[in-house]
Amino acid sequence: GAVVSQHPSWVICKSGTSVKIECRSLDFQATTMFWYRQFPKQSLMLMATSNEGSKATYEQGVEKDKFLINHASLTLSTLTVTSAHPEDSSFYICSARRQGTAQPQHFGDGTRLSIL
Amino acid sequence: DAKTTQPNSMESNEEEPVHLPCNHSTISGTDYIHWYRQLPSQGPEYVIHGLTSNVNNRMASLAIAEDRKSSTLILHRATLRDAAVYYCILRASGNQFYFGTGTSLTVIP
Repeated sequence: GAVVSQHPSWVICKSGTSVKIECRSLDFQATTMFWYRQFPKQSLMLMATSNEGSKATYEQGVEKDKFLINHASLTLSTLTVTSAHPEDSSFYICSARRQGTAQPQHFGDGTRLSIL
Repeated sequence: DAKTTQPNSMESNEEEPVHLPCNHSTISGTDYIHWYRQLPSQGPEYVIHGLTSNVNNRMASLAIAEDRKSSTLILHRATLRDAAVYYCILRASGNQFYFGTGTSLTVIP
């Protein structure tokens, strides 16, 4: 069964709206989670690393004021797309991994965001 | 960050083995080699990973070259459900994954 849950699965909203996406690790604690964005026919692009209890680390070119990340507990990270515009429409995916050097990452099922 | 190179697409007949190659010539000694696959509109699914030795699990086998500069994902008997984009990824020191373009596998009935 799924070990990382993402909510909502899809959202449609008007331009200018802020949208929050949740990522939960279901049966393990994750001090670190990751957020990706994927445009149609393209690969996943890492946006940021979410760190529990501290600030997220953003990849180059990703606006931290646009994509707010909060990792307030060991099982929950949220991504808020602030004042979303049509160009922010994309497939957003999170991942988390269990503690341990050799552990793989587990990905959520993604959130399809459509901004009208 | 170490990068990977994969063919854009491959085809296989159903019930035949499939060998998906990946080059990672800039791999460092501590980089794990991970393979994931992604179906349309879904998050990536873990397939297998390894460091130096070949690995087997219920989904696939991973053959790693002795110099670790390349690896091959082996699906022993392709099924229609194996049609997906397969990504070969090297895990960075901070545990980040930087995805390449992947290989789109088509399975022919």
